[in-house]
Amino acid sequence: QVQLVESGGGLVKPGGSLRLSCAASGFTFSDYYMSWIRQAPGKGLEWVSSISSSDSTIYYVDSVKGRFTISRDNTKNSLYLQMNSLRAEDTAVYYCATWTGGFDPWGQGTLVTVSS
Amino acid sequence: EIVLTQSPGTLSLSPGEGATLSCRASQRVSSSYLAWYQQKPGQAPRLLIYGASSRATGIPDRFSGSGSGTDFTLTISRLESEDFAVYYCQQYGSSPPVTFGGGTKVEIK
Repeated sequence: QVQLVESGGGLVKPGGSLRLSCAASGFTFSDYYMSWIRQAPGKGLEWVSSISSSDSTIYYVDSVKGRFTISRDNTKNSLYLQMNSLRAEDTAVYYCATWTGGFDPWGQGTLVTVSS
Repeated sequence: EIVLTQSPGTLSLSPGEGATLSCRASQRVSSSYLAWYQQKPGQAPRLLIYGASSRATGIPDRFSGSGSGTDFTLTISRLESEDFAVYYCQQYGSSPPVTFGGGTKVEIK
């Protein structure tokens, strides 16, 4: 079945780095735009970044530009988010999702906590 | 940036009642790129509606979407116990390419 599984979250100090991964299965990963969306504790959804199927087009929300880098490896059916210079306000559950006219499916999320 | 404003913030209703959720955009949104999601506590969001009015796979027909331009609506015709959740609208197409509304919580009265 179609599945996305995120990994790589954890506790990191302000200024630190983390690399999130999203493993896709059950569909032709290389055909689809992929995105990262986050949700701070008790808050709403915030789109973070998207990458086109061939990684020729990339978008970021302003608050992460210059700090986060999205990438993908279509040979490994995997999506990544390299997060540098992390701040307390980056604390959130990070979801990967496939764009199919809406975001569907979503992974289960991975929690990133930025705290000293 | 297109800002999506959802109202009301909270809707208190009883099972069997109908629910009407509003999503208003600060600028015109292409109907092709307006979606609605349901999120339950501890779970990832689930796509309900895409293209403003098309139901996603497996979504019951008590859920319907409508609207165009800057005003969109999600209607739940008869609430069932599993429908009590938070609902988000989302648009795609403007820069930044994706924004979400702040959400409407549908709670049991």
